[in-house]
Amino acid sequence: GIQVEQSPPDLILQEGANSTLRCNFSDSVNNLQWFHQNPWGQLINLFYIPSGTKQNGRLSATTVATERYSLLYISSSQTTDSGVYFCAVLIWGDMRFGAGTRLTVKP
Amino acid sequence: GAGVSQSPSNKVTEKGKDVELRCDPISGHTALYWYRQSLGQGLEFLIYFQGNSAPDKSGLPSDRFSAERTGGSVSTLTIQRTQQEDSAVYLCASSADTGSYNEQFFGPGTRLTVL
Repeated sequence: GIQVEQSPPDLILQEGANSTLRCNFSDSVNNLQWFHQNPWGQLINLFYIPSGTKQNGRLSATTVATERYSLLYISSSQTTDSGVYFCAVLIWGDMRFGAGTRLTVKP
Repeated sequence: GAGVSQSPSNKVTEKGKDVELRCDPISGHTALYWYRQSLGQGLEFLIYFQGNSAPDKSGLPSDRFSAERTGGSVSTLTIQRTQQEDSAVYLCASSADTGSYNEQFFGPGTRLTVL
């Protein structure tokens, strides 16, 4: 089956720093989503991004489907950005998740 | 409703008991998905429904797990004869269609603890 790899597995930032999270996938996919799982376990939709670039405030994402990767950019990080960031790919109704990047933003 | 809801939010049960977990999808969403997240792990796909039918049951970990959906809306995930390794957060998601072009939205999850 398709493999989804995220890097880095852990990331510690000082408040105000910028970061880039990466998601690689092993096969063609129909779609891709980025999620933030907050400390209470809720999965928050960040981006629905099969290709191209999207921006939402301090966050932006780029997916290059032909090269099978997606990037999530966080600028001017805040402590509330802490949590686990998951990339998930969709293949005909089946969503496969990466193992996540655990982000800790220190004040 | 405004979002996906799940109940109960927490369930503690004894080994060997049966449990039922409920998911209410976003109104109008035809596709519904169940996932499991073990402590500190990523999400494991269990099953999805298009309407009331489940074309893909391959993710269910054993025959103790079953799921149904009635009326194209509410879904119930049942775990029979629970084991300690079933302890996890069970998450439900819904989307407008199973076509992979539609975004999935997640509920808050049910945290299951098997003693």
